[in-house]
Amino acid sequence: DADVTQTPRNRITKTGKRIMLECSQTKGHDRMYWYRQDPGLGLRLIYYSFDVKDINKGEISDGYSVSRQAQAKFSLSLESAIPNQTALYFCATSQWVPYNSPLHFGNGTRLTVT
Amino acid sequence: GEDVEQSLFLSVREGDSSVINCTYTDSSSTYLYWYKQEPGAGLQLLTYIFSNMDMKQDQRLTVLLNKKDKHLSLRIADTQTGDSAIYFCAESSLEGGATNKLIFGTGTLLAVQP
Repeated sequence: DADVTQTPRNRITKTGKRIMLECSQTKGHDRMYWYRQDPGLGLRLIYYSFDVKDINKGEISDGYSVSRQAQAKFSLSLESAIPNQTALYFCATSQWVPYNSPLHFGNGTRLTVT
Repeated sequence: GEDVEQSLFLSVREGDSSVINCTYTDSSSTYLYWYKQEPGAGLQLLTYIFSNMDMKQDQRLTVLLNKKDKHLSLRIADTQTGDSAIYFCAESSLEGGATNKLIFGTGTLLAVQP
C-alpha cells in the first residue's frame, strides 16, 4: 500500500550497530504500529502509538524503541542490533474510529543482523 | 494470554475450493479478520466478521465463525492461481479498552496448483 511507506526495503547490519527503520503515511491516520514477522510465528506487535507523543509497548518491545515525530511519521530503532532481531518488519496505520478500522500495512523492511 | 493458531500450509488445485482454518483462545474477541499477504508485500485486509455473526459472504469468500468452539474459517470458492499467498487470521477484543490491537495467527501458506 503506497500510502504507507517504509524505508529502507532491505537492510543488512552488524551485531551491535544502531539502526533506524522509518515509516511515513499519507492516510491521515492517528494510529500507527510496528510489527515483526518471523516464519511460523506470524506477526507480533512491537510498539504502537495512538497519537503524537503517545507511545505504548507491545508484546515484544525489549531491544526496540520508537519515536512518533509527527502524525505521519513513526520510526523504530534498534539501539544495539542482535542476530535474533533478523526479521521482516511492518509498519501499519489505522483510523481512530470505528473501532474495527482495518490496519493498512506498508510493504515491509527486511532486516538482517550478522 | 491470547493465542491464535493456524495450519501452516494448504495446497489445492485451481478451480477447487480452499478452506483455511483458525482457532483462537480469547473469549472476549469482538472482531475476527482475514488478511492476505502476497510475496514482497504487506498484509491486506480481505474480510472481517463481528463476533455476533455466524457467517459472512463476500463474492468468492465465505467466513464461518463458531464462537462456542472459537473456530474461524475462510472458504475461497473457485480458487485461482492469483489466490496463492499467505493468509493470516487475526482477532481483536475490547479488553483494556478500544485499542484495536490485533493478535495474529502464524499464517497459512496457500499454494494453488494449475
